[in-house]
Amino acid sequence: DGGITQSPKYLFRKEGQNVTLSCEQNLNHDAMYWYRQDPGQGLRLIYYSQIVNDFQKGDIAEGYSVSREKKESFPLTVTSAQKNPTAFYLCATKAGIHEQFFGPGTRLTVL
Amino acid sequence: AQKVTQAQTEISVVEKEDVTLDCVYETRDTTYYLFWYKQPPSGELVFLIRRNSFDEQNEISGRYSWNFQKSTSSFNFTITASQVVDSAVYFCALSSRGDSSYKLIFGSGTRLLVRP
Repeated sequence: DGGITQSPKYLFRKEGQNVTLSCEQNLNHDAMYWYRQDPGQGLRLIYYSQIVNDFQKGDIAEGYSVSREKKESFPLTVTSAQKNPTAFYLCATKAGIHEQFFGPGTRLTVL
Repeated sequence: AQKVTQAQTEISVVEKEDVTLDCVYETRDTTYYLFWYKQPPSGELVFLIRRNSFDEQNEISGRYSWNFQKSTSSFNFTITASQVVDSAVYFCALSSRGDSSYKLIFGSGTRLLVRP
């Protein structure tokens, strides 16, 4: 079963906690992305990685961290420094310079 | 600066009506790519189409068609004979060859409601 998986689907975080969102892909794509979507808005780029062991900040990286130790995996950690983390988080992959393919998303809520 | 504008926040039509979703973009790059994605209530973004800046040919895929006009910086999406299953949020997006990340710049989306 090919594609992009994200877990968990729903995540609840208490204030002050760090949480990690998982993104796994078996499409053999080099580039992976994390986007954040707020209600009624488009997606904004948090971090991206074009190759293993390398990643770059996107437009709204503050309060987030990532790692890319394997081609298949690109986990996102939402740290306590992120002041407004409640949002829908989408992971994407891209082959070459063409379209990006998205996972099913994780909905994060801060309690 | 790059920007995508979807001025229509929400559109409501009756089934079988035709509907056009507008998309206007801004970029200084001469080589860029335009996309449309569909986001159903489940949340996952579904890729619909990619268009390269050097290819202004319009495209039709079943009930879907896209009109790309560089002169007006627009990339509009038309659904012919709409169906209830077309109800979703539709996003237009832009990526540029001048940006090494090839990140997608999204519009704010248009929510389409097709009523039976």
